[in-house]
Amino acid sequence: QQQVKQSPQSLIVQKGGISIINCAYENTAFDYFPWYQQFPGKGPALLIAIRPDVSEKKEGRFTISFNKSAKQFSLHIMDSQPGDSATYFCAARVDSGSARQLTFGSGTQLTVLP
Amino acid sequence: DAGVTQSPTHLIKTRGQQVTLRCSPKSGHDTVSWYQQALGQGPQFIFQYYEEEERQRGNFPDRFSGHQFPNYSSELNVNALLLGDSALYLCASMKYSEAFFGQGTRLTVV
Repeated sequence: QQQVKQSPQSLIVQKGGISIINCAYENTAFDYFPWYQQFPGKGPALLIAIRPDVSEKKEGRFTISFNKSAKQFSLHIMDSQPGDSATYFCAARVDSGSARQLTFGSGTQLTVLP
Repeated sequence: DAGVTQSPTHLIKTRGQQVTLRCSPKSGHDTVSWYQQALGQGPQFIFQYYEEEERQRGNFPDRFSGHQFPNYSSELNVNALLLGDSALYLCASMKYSEAFFGQGTRLTVV
């Protein structure tokens, strides 16, 4: 299966709070898991990515947690800010060969209240 | 360094017409992929071009075709447009692992 399931569909947090978005996958051949941030009218922008040989990756306020046995990964946004309000997509890819398509989740619309 | 650029940004077409969308990849990137993003959905993979050849294709009909030029730029062509083809069409370029997206072309079919 190529599907990546993402939850929740929408999320509202207070400024300074922690935002958590979850994704699950079925294809064990996936070996690259990026998160994208998309603002209205813009294309997705790469936020952070992880490979399955590590369980956690942190970049500033953004952390990916990865559970290979459960085939799940999540994005944590610490100290959430109103400027973080956007749609977030998880994705997965088989990172080998000449064709490396991304399979996206359905997206999470995050609203951070001031 | 310019990122991925797409043209046009917006387009309105009539059902049954044909459309061509264009993409210039990020400097140094040799692989271009096209995605369709319906409103409120995640991007769906259409196809990928590398060395001027289609390398992989998603679950899209033959009405969707593409081309990659020697300078790595790419075109997406859609024939016999349907109302359901209305979406944001995204181009992504990559060299190794990271894919960078353009701002997209918003296609409206009326």
